[in-house]
Amino acid sequence: DAMVIQNPRYQVTQFGKPVTLSCSQTLNHNVMYWYQQKSSQAPKLLFHYYDKDFNNEADTPDNFQSRRPNTSFCFLDIRSPGLGDAAMYLCATSRDGWHEQYFGPGTRLTVT
Amino acid sequence: GESVGLHLPTLSVQEGDNSIINCAYSNSASDYFIWYKQESGKGPQFIIDIRSNMDKRQGQRVTVLLNKTVKHLSLQIAATQPGDSAVYFCAGGSSNTGKLIFGQGTTLQVKP
Repeated sequence: DAMVIQNPRYQVTQFGKPVTLSCSQTLNHNVMYWYQQKSSQAPKLLFHYYDKDFNNEADTPDNFQSRRPNTSFCFLDIRSPGLGDAAMYLCATSRDGWHEQYFGPGTRLTVT
Repeated sequence: GESVGLHLPTLSVQEGDNSIINCAYSNSASDYFIWYKQESGKGPQFIIDIRSNMDKRQGQRVTVLLNKTVKHLSLQIAATQPGDSAVYFCAGGSSNTGKLIFGQGTTLQVKP
């Protein structure tokens, strides 16, 4: 089935050690999003790609970067994770940005 | 500013009863709204959406009502089942930006 896949599902990293989370999609959607979701909170948009165009949210820390090498894949890089970056990271896709977003299962990041 | 919010953090219903989850929004630029269901440890799952030029939309056991005059929408779940237990988020979307703004979730607890 077409879907949004996130790897790994669980990631443990050390304070300050760079980490990369990956997302892939078989939906051939133009738009890909990265959200951060902390416990008992709503997902918070970090940035999104419309095709190759990168759109950063104004309050996303510089510590968070993203790459989209092709339509199918998108990566979230956290250059120097802090304890406050421990969260669930959700990837989502949308056909064109004004239809529903399809979410992956998320990657739960733990920072030790 | 933009915000989407829910009225109650927790809703407890008896199995078989109907559930109504409410959401208020402030951004008049939202031209579509989506309800998502999120189970523990999973990504949000699309339930139903509604465009701003509609006031009602029905799906299987679910109905979304939109009142633009008072900027309110609701999700009605008929004959609530234990499998409906989850956190429900409303989100307002803009076709101009391609972004969703999520409200804080309501936890639906279904008592057997």
